[in-house]
Amino acid sequence: AQSVTQLDSHVSVSEGTPVLLRCNYSSSYSPSLFWYVQHPNKGLQLLLKYTSAATLVKGINGFEAEFKKSETSFHLTKPSAHMSDAAEYFCVVSLYNNNDMRFGAGTRLTVKP
Amino acid sequence: GAVVSQHPSWVICKSGTSVKIECRSLDFQATTMFWYRQFPKQSLMLMATSNEGSKATYEQGVEKDKFLINHASLTLSTLTVTSAHPEDSSFYICSAPARYNEQFFGPGTRLTVL
Repeated sequence: AQSVTQLDSHVSVSEGTPVLLRCNYSSSYSPSLFWYVQHPNKGLQLLLKYTSAATLVKGINGFEAEFKKSETSFHLTKPSAHMSDAAEYFCVVSLYNNNDMRFGAGTRLTVKP
Repeated sequence: GAVVSQHPSWVICKSGTSVKIECRSLDFQATTMFWYRQFPKQSLMLMATSNEGSKATYEQGVEKDKFLINHASLTLSTLTVTSAHPEDSSFYICSAPARYNEQFFGPGTRLTVL
């Protein structure tokens, strides 16, 4: 069965510094991987997705993630954090045409002024 | 892009009553929709898969008689929490696959059972 592990429950960075949110996955087959962001009391927003094309995936708002099969990782990065990036981030893995999505526990990103 | 709506966005009810939550795909049809539950400060957990015209498929540990799902049309799935109790208080989120099977999530419904 597929699953994801988000290695940090909480990450705190200063505005303008890089962001790294870590995610490791487990899957018997070639997975699709996603990062979603959830702002307080808001719905989930797709940041980016990997579906076996380019291993470096660029998403919205300056985020990107790199699929590393050898490390079974799909870490999310951003060169420079903005205050508006403060939110909960979920790493998600799916099989079967994206109809069976399994969420990680989430990482809360705090951005300090 | 594809839009999924949920109604209501929040609801407060008394213990023992039933609450219905609607999930609609506004600009596309969905033969399948998914229902998730998210407890405070926790991740989303898949509860069930809603199938248009047939029975829903429930994840292990989810009571099908308590969480009734009806997918009566290609744009609407409903989740009814029957005889709600305080422990059912949670954030309920639905999703539906649109083009290229990309999942689109609704904004969620916050249920508080007193």
